[in-house]
Amino acid sequence: SYVVTQPPSVSVAPGKTARITCGGNNIGRRSVHWYLQKPGQAPVVVIYYDSDRPSGIPERFSGSNSGNTATLTITRVEAGDEADYYCQVWDSSSGHRVFGTGTKVTVL
Amino acid sequence: EVQLVESGGGLVQPGGSLRLSCAASGFTFSDYEMNWVRQAPGKGLEWLSYISSSGSTIYYADSVKGRFTISRDNAKNSLYVQMNSLRAEDTAVYYCVREVNILATTMGPFDYWGQGTLVTVSS
Repeated sequence: SYVVTQPPSVSVAPGKTARITCGGNNIGRRSVHWYLQKPGQAPVVVIYYDSDRPSGIPERFSGSNSGNTATLTITRVEAGDEADYYCQVWDSSSGHRVFGTGTKVTVL
Repeated sequence: EVQLVESGGGLVQPGGSLRLSCAASGFTFSDYEMNWVRQAPGKGLEWLSYISSSGSTIYYADSVKGRFTISRDNAKNSLYVQMNSLRAEDTAVYYCVREVNILATTMGPFDYWGQGTLVTVSS
């Protein structure tokens, strides 16, 4: 099964830029979705198909995907962005919808 | 308003069985692919199973294949998962999740999630 890896944690100061990576073999050839999850809540999609943003998600959230790494970028980070972030890809060979290992974003 | 409401969780002994249900409302259930996702305490998200809108296509994660069975009843707007041979490591919050198929060539994002139901496997 396809494996995607994320750094366990990312720390960022308010107002700065956070970059969360999602690594996988030739992940640039796959579409990646990103979710954030706050404690006690269900996940919410923040980026889909690599770089599309659902309505209601701030423009501060953006995504890119190339080579072996997909990246979720959060600019002008706010305290409210503190959450766990997960990437997700589709393994077409198995039909599996694979989640990354998750990254905890801490706002300093 | 789209709503997904899971039920059926609880405490079960190792080796036991449990059936989770998910009641969907606020959208045409039969038009959407659905999934089950779980999250063990303090752990990350784990995709478990997918079912197509008609129920004709089903996939399982390796961790539950042969033990869990996903199904749906479009007439009742309901999604189910039958869980057998439960183990301690199956202890988790189980989410019912809608997948929106925007592009026909690849999976869509999970756009709506239920609040989850807790399954605890313990003696």
